[in-house]
Amino acid sequence: QKEVEQDPGPLSVPEGAIVSLNCTYSNSAFQYFMWYRQYSRKGPELLMYTYSSGNKEDGRFTAQVDKSSKYISLFIRDSQPSDSATYLCAMYLPSGSRLTFGEGTQLTVNP
Amino acid sequence: ETGVTQTPRHLVMGMTNKKSLKCEQHLGHNAMYWYKQSAKKPLELMFVYNFKEQTENNSVPSRFSPECPNSSHLFLHLHTLQPEDSALYLCASSQAQTGVGETQYFGPGTRLLVL
Repeated sequence: QKEVEQDPGPLSVPEGAIVSLNCTYSNSAFQYFMWYRQYSRKGPELLMYTYSSGNKEDGRFTAQVDKSSKYISLFIRDSQPSDSATYLCAMYLPSGSRLTFGEGTQLTVNP
Repeated sequence: ETGVTQTPRHLVMGMTNKKSLKCEQHLGHNAMYWYKQSAKKPLELMFVYNFKEQTENNSVPSRFSPECPNSSHLFLHLHTLQPEDSALYLCASSQAQTGVGETQYFGPGTRLLVL
């Protein structure tokens, strides 16, 4: 069983839609949760970072962590064609130094 | 140059060739990482250097040989690779490898094709 499960998509939505991207994980010890965005031919860039449970909002992006369900989400409101990219979830153990990544979800926002 | 840079951006090599990938970070960080990104698979951590010392080798075959001469530069020396080694190789850096959720900053990657 993979430590982090993420639906690879592809996911295609119309401009203006609300997008929901999700990851599940098996190790309840994960404490730090991140979302990276990777445009084609580029490296991943950090988008959102949350610690433990709860929500975090940054503009059109909201990250949610539900530790009881071992489930994290990234919501994109009013999606734009410029949001078209692969979104990677990643997480850290509190004592470890290794980031564990999901497979990534490929998102296309159509104008 | 800013951030994390990688050269070359694309590389095609035969299985008997020897080549090197270069990474340079301009962020003043002390930890550097090599990752392999293959289609339909999560990023795989290969090596970690913290203050120029190798702290992790994630069971990587010896045909991949890392080198970190200083905190700003990281190399990945390649020899006798296999076609299944074709992938995007990403370099990343962070302030340090403290194990408390360090933010890693990635370079654009080197797209490697082994024929």
